[in-house]
Parts: sequence; C-alpha cells; structure tokens
Amino acid sequence: KNEVEQSPQNLTAQEGEFITINCSYSVGISALHWLQQHPGGGIVSLFMLSSGKKKHGRLIATINIQEKHSSLHITASHPRDSAVYICAAVFRYNTDKLIFGTGTRLQVFP
Amino acid sequence: DGGITQSPKYLFRKEGQNVTLSCEQNLNHDAMYWYRQDPGQGLRLIYYSQIVNDFQKGDIAEGYSVSREKKESFPLTVTSAQKNPTAFYLCAINRGRGQPQHFGDGTRLSIL
Repeated sequence: KNEVEQSPQNLTAQEGEFITINCSYSVGISALHWLQQHPGGGIVSLFMLSSGKKKHGRLIATINIQEKHSSLHITASHPRDSAVYICAAVFRYNTDKLIFGTGTRLQVFP
Repeated sequence: DGGITQSPKYLFRKEGQNVTLSCEQNLNHDAMYWYRQDPGQGLRLIYYSQIVNDFQKGDIAEGYSVSREKKESFPLTVTSAQKNPTAFYLCAINRGRGQPQHFGDGTRLSIL
C-alpha cells in the first residue's frame, strides 16, 4: 500500500464545474505538496502546506492533520486546467524526500 | 522551469550502453534530486544531493550513478546495469528541507 493515496485516478468535468481531488497519507507529515503536471511532462509546484488552507486564484488546497487528508479544489474549471495533479508528502520520519501519490488525471471539456 | 534545465528532452539508449542525463540550475539552490516516473506510478527518488561533493541513494538507485562536482550541475548516468531504463526522468531542486521543489521539464529515455 502506497503511503500516499490519491483519488480519483481519472476525472472528467465540464467547463465551469467545481473539482475536488483527494489525497490521504499514512503517518505524520511535516508538509504536503500539490503539483501540476502538464501533457509535456513538466511539473509545477502549486502549494506547500502543513496546516489549514491556501488559495491561489481558482485553486484552493486544504489539509486536515487529524484525519491525514488533503484536498485540492478547482473552482470554475476551465479546459486549460486539464493536467495531472499530484500530491506528495514529506513525512516526519524522513524529511529529506517527498513521497508521491500516483496522480489524478483531470480533463475539462468546453 | 526558467531556473532549471534538463537535456536532452528525448534520449535513446542501445543495449549495454551508458547514457548521461543533464540537469543544470541557476537558482543557487543546494538540494538537487533525480526522480523516475513510470505510467501508473508515483515519482520515485533515484538519488539526491544536499550539498556539493555529497549525494545519497534514493529508493531505486541500482543501475544509476550521479556526481555533484559543481553546485549548479547534477548529472545522472543510466548504466547498462539498469535493465529497465525506459521512463521519464525529472530533476528537481529546492532551497532546503520542507521547501517547495522546482522541477525541470524532464527527459524521456527509451531503449532502441
């Protein structure tokens, strides 16, 4: 069992829909990252958070430390949001590295 | 990413051949990482370096080697001992532990 689990694996939406991607992890973390990977393969860091909530434009990331769960929300989704979204955790037992989820492939249709 | 450059974008390897993937950064960050991405799997750490002239094995280091002779460069060599090298390779950098990582655009390696 992977230490970082994401759901769903694949997600399709119509433009304008509200999107939620979930990430759960197994043990205590020092930080959790949300990343976006576009079809060409390059990865962009969206958020790094260790508690609470962060917002950037139409993207919102939340984390619940007690439940070991984080969500990435996209409001008013747009076709340009189509990408793979990856969560990655820095666990307290080893802060040298990230442990990655397998990613959620999002397609937003006009 | 403007501060981190991976080359080449595509690379082909013949059986028994070593190939070297380049990763260069101009952000003056200390920590550099190499990851491998396979379909349906999360990124896995191959090697990382926290400082010049020092590096540590990640989770899947067998069949790979690295060097860190300069702060701005962290090349990865895929040796002939790596029996399944076909994958997408990503280099990343960050300022230190717990900081956001910046990724290169990746190199796609295939076997001829």
